[in-house]
Amino acid sequence: GAGVSQSPRYKVAKRGQDVALRCDPISGHVSLFWYQQALGQGPEFLTYFQNEAQLDKSGLPSDRFFAERPEGSVSTLKIQRTQQEDSAVYLCASSLDGQGNYGYTFGSGTRLTVV
Amino acid sequence: QKEVEQNSGPLSVPEGAIASLNCTYSDRGSQSFFWYRQYSGKSPELIMSIYSNGDKEDGRFTAQLNKASQYVSLLIRDSQPSDSATYLCAVNEGSSNTGKLIFGQGTTLQVKP
Repeated sequence: GAGVSQSPRYKVAKRGQDVALRCDPISGHVSLFWYQQALGQGPEFLTYFQNEAQLDKSGLPSDRFFAERPEGSVSTLKIQRTQQEDSAVYLCASSLDGQGNYGYTFGSGTRLTVV
Repeated sequence: QKEVEQNSGPLSVPEGAIASLNCTYSDRGSQSFFWYRQYSGKSPELIMSIYSNGDKEDGRFTAQLNKASQYVSLLIRDSQPSDSATYLCAVNEGSSNTGKLIFGQGTTLQVKP
């Protein structure tokens, strides 16, 4: 596609509910990143894929967070048993190369609100 | 803990003035530096990248890098009300070679007509 596509755009979840956030990167982009952005803060790294391999998941805040990119294209970020502190905008970004030499293109994000 | 520091602002400048946004970083291994613009409710948009010491100009924007001082800045000349946004400084994590970026908290710029 022309850009990074994320869905849903907004998600309201009841505390304890599981959610799945989808990211469709730019076609041919090797690298895919997930970031979490709290209100008034900069994006915080969650995890990184190079093709289908998850090479860095050091930013995932707990074992309730899980990400996958099984065919090296679309990625899903899953949050189990959501908590109020999970409320944030979840940004997906893709990059042409594997070293980030060109910066990222971000998707429009998914705003998650846990009530 | 690798950090990127920015003054959160708001930085207020009159229309037509030069806006100067600053950023410091802690990771001496970082090699790639980026400025993103984020309008309220929107996602970050890449506006400048810089990789070597000195200045890089693109239209009304100039990025400046001083690796010895671990300092990056963005100058916006002839500021317009449409430049009002949050500007995020991002620095690659030098040790990872994966393109992982560390972001500052952003500086909010207000350009007043």
